[in-house]
Amino acid sequence: AQSVTQLGSHVSVSEGALVLLRCNYSSSVPPYLFWYVQYPNQGLQLLLKYTSAATLVKGINDFEAEFKKSETSFHLTKPSAHMSDAAEYFCAVSRYSGGSYIPTFGRGTSLIVHP
Amino acid sequence: EAGVVQSPRYKIIEKKQPVAFWCNPISGHNTLYWYLQNLGQGPELLIRYENEEAVDDSQLPKDRFSAERLKGVDSTLKIQPAELGDSAVYLCASSFGLKSYNEQFFGPGTRLTVL
Repeated sequence: AQSVTQLGSHVSVSEGALVLLRCNYSSSVPPYLFWYVQYPNQGLQLLLKYTSAATLVKGINDFEAEFKKSETSFHLTKPSAHMSDAAEYFCAVSRYSGGSYIPTFGRGTSLIVHP
Repeated sequence: EAGVVQSPRYKIIEKKQPVAFWCNPISGHNTLYWYLQNLGQGPELLIRYENEEAVDDSQLPKDRFSAERLKGVDSTLKIQPAELGDSAVYLCASSFGLKSYNEQFFGPGTRLTVL
């Protein structure tokens, strides 16, 4: 079964610093991969997705992620953190089951941004 | 355009009582998902509908949980009877089309507390 591992339940950065949130997946075939963000008391919002097109995927708010098949990774980065980026981030993979693809989410990484 | 609507936002009940959650997806979205999100965890899929058909309910505890999506529009998730371990946030999401890599739009969730 496919699964997602997010390294680090909390990541703390200073405002203006590089953001790096790590995600590794287990899959025997290239999956569909997603990053979602969840602000307090809100639903999840899609940041970006990989669907076997370009390996470097650009999303909203200057976030991007690179699909690396050899490392089975899909890490999320942002060049310069803003205070408004503080939120919970979830990596997700679509797993194949029963003739369709089912989304499986990681445990999430809480991004803390210091002024 | 209105987003995914869920009600109630918060619910507190005593164990062994029944509870129901309601979800109205974005207009035109064929696929509807119900997720369970425990504190500090990612969403876990309970059931997925394609139009009015439940196509993946393998994670739904059928002894106490039930769901329906009449006419392929809004949906209701029910728990009867509720147990202490059911305390969590219940998320509803919808997507357009039947492909798993389509963006999911999430509602704000219903936070259930079972006493």
